[in-house]
Amino acid sequence: AQTVTQSQPEMSVQEAETVTLSCTYDTSESDYYLFWYKQPPSRQMILVIRQEAYKQQNATENRFSVNFQKAAKSFSLKISDSQLGDAAMYFCARSGAGGTSYGKLTFGQGTILTVHP
Amino acid sequence: GAVVSQHPSWVICKSGTSVKIECRSLDFQATTMFWYRQFPKQSLMLMATSNEGSKATYEQGVEKDKFLINHASLTLSTLTVTSAHPEDSSFYICSAPRSGGAIDTQYFGPGTRLTVL
Repeated sequence: AQTVTQSQPEMSVQEAETVTLSCTYDTSESDYYLFWYKQPPSRQMILVIRQEAYKQQNATENRFSVNFQKAAKSFSLKISDSQLGDAAMYFCARSGAGGTSYGKLTFGQGTILTVHP
Repeated sequence: GAVVSQHPSWVICKSGTSVKIECRSLDFQATTMFWYRQFPKQSLMLMATSNEGSKATYEQGVEKDKFLINHASLTLSTLTVTSAHPEDSSFYICSAPRSGGAIDTQYFGPGTRLTVL
């Protein structure tokens, strides 16, 4: 089964500090994509960052970076210099790169991030 | 950037009636669209894959006769919840990758909140 697990239902961080959200996944595929999505109260899904499994280099997008450990099937998100606007629900997700799982996103349970001023 | 719209944004209906939700890619073509359901404070669960010009494929446990999907054109997919019941109340979200584009880049609609009385 292709599963994604986020073990932190809630996290909090002080403004300007750094926070790391955890994610592990299970897959039998050799090629796949991993994502972090942000869902603010508006519920519009926003892509934060993506990682292609065959790339060893960790993806970065401004204040957002990931720690991708393929052997351990771990994909954590680090948010640096946290801002009030980062407060949201964060979902870790994976999709297949081919076959029957092509493009289908499997989401983790989500982590609610609170940013304190 | 690519935009996906959904209509309506919210709908309230009586038990036993049918409700149609539209998902449109406004500035790109999408031969494939995905439909997700999200219960309050929960994750997104893939319901089905909508394919232009062919039958939709449903995830295990999703009743295809209850959730009718029609992908009539390269920019429009519709989800019809037939004989809706209170347990169908949920937030329905569609997503679409750009045809010919990278499957790891999907665009999400803003979602439709369905309430069945």
